[in-house]
Amino acid sequence: QVQLQESGPGLVKPSETLSLTCSVSGGSMSSYYWSWIRQPPGKGLEWIGYIYDSGSTKYNPSLKSRVTISIDTSKNQFSLKLNSVTAADTAVYFCARERGHYTNYVFYYYGMDVWGQGTTVAVSS
Amino acid sequence: SYVLTQPPSVSVAPGKTARITCGGYNIGIKSVHWYQQKPGQAPVMVIYYDSDRPSGIPERFSGSNSGNTATLTISRVEAGDEADYYCQVWDSGSDRVFGGGTKLTVL
Repeated sequence: QVQLQESGPGLVKPSETLSLTCSVSGGSMSSYYWSWIRQPPGKGLEWIGYIYDSGSTKYNPSLKSRVTISIDTSKNQFSLKLNSVTAADTAVYFCARERGHYTNYVFYYYGMDVWGQGTTVAVSS
Repeated sequence: SYVLTQPPSVSVAPGKTARITCGGYNIGIKSVHWYQQKPGQAPVMVIYYDSDRPSGIPERFSGSNSGNTATLTISRVEAGDEADYYCQVWDSGSDRVFGGGTKLTVL
């Protein structure tokens, strides 16, 4: 079955760029949405943004000015860049697969059915 | 922005039924998805599209959605069900939205 694995530095300095990659194995990236979600210590889940296999993206408005999500279907990977980080960006970062489709201009969304194990990123000097 | 409201905590005795609510304006017209997260682990989908169960999820987990409240029901609760539970929807204005999460304690 499909598995996701996050990778990237566990420590980032303030004002620098956080970069993570999610590797997808056991299945195709085609026709799915691929999202990043984060969870600060002791807090709830926060959606960061998604990318579709076509490359179209959408970001959480609260992070939009600092986020870029990209995809490389030839490598079965998608990536997150979050710039100008502060301590408030310290969190566990998850990647996830989502199912959804448009039919007659109506969006049918089926949620996040596969998640990576998560990777902890601390922002500190 | 669209807001989902969950109770911070719910407690239930083993063998009883737990109900976790998720409140949102007119949530009944949206599709609600539920995730279970145990400490130190990634979330796992337990209900999608209001009431469908992914493969491998016990029938003890069920969902409903109407009006301004969606509910995750766990029947015959077991110690292993102790976890945080999150509801989630897609909203045309806010896109992906999570509730604040509910900690289920099995007494």
